[in-house]
Amino acid sequence: QSALTQPASVSGSPGQSITISCTGTGSDVGGFNFVSWFQQHPGKVPKLMIFDVSHRPSGVSIRFSGSKSGNTASLTISGLQAEDEADYYCISFTSSATWVFGGGTKLTVL
Amino acid sequence: QVQLVESGGGVVQPGGSLRLSCAASGFTFSKNDMHWIRQAPGKGLEWVAIISYGGANRYFADSVRGRFTISRDNSESTLFLQMNSLRPEDTAVYYCATYSSGSSSFTMDVWGQGTTVTVSS
Repeated sequence: QSALTQPASVSGSPGQSITISCTGTGSDVGGFNFVSWFQQHPGKVPKLMIFDVSHRPSGVSIRFSGSKSGNTASLTISGLQAEDEADYYCISFTSSATWVFGGGTKLTVL
Repeated sequence: QVQLVESGGGVVQPGGSLRLSCAASGFTFSKNDMHWIRQAPGKGLEWVAIISYGGANRYFADSVRGRFTISRDNSESTLFLQMNSLRPEDTAVYYCATYSSGSSSFTMDVWGQGTTVTVSS
């Protein structure tokens, strides 16, 4: 159960687009279309942004999108806004019927 | 509305035990798989355990397997996490989480506010 690999930090200017990667193995990210992404602001409860690789829950901005290629899932945020500054986590279902999170990525809006 | 409320956190000495509860409301608890997820101070999220809707299937993270037990009382719409042989590295905010009709059963879009567990002498 090794954690999925995410970049520790990413940054972008308002209006730009950024992508956060989440790399696993064929036993988790690559083996199932059950990757979700969460946004967490300091001191707050995580919020679901993307589920099942690319599906957006009702109420989440269309600026957030998800995709997957092989063992790597990605979260893209377009038209960056100051309010997007937060920590982002991916999670994947695994072949052991367990779940594994990524280490988290701190997004800074410059 | 859909709500999860955790309780039972506190300060416990290394080697001690604690039982967390998660009271659910606003949805049919007996139809949902339920998760426990934790977050150590200043650290990332860590998945801890899952129990299937009927309680027959239970899976754990390597870090807690053999020390933690997950259970549920569907008649009371309550989820539990029994934590034994606690270690300082178990210090974290513990969240219960599940999914709603607006997502899929392979995600978690409903979270409680969390309960804090501190393992320290």
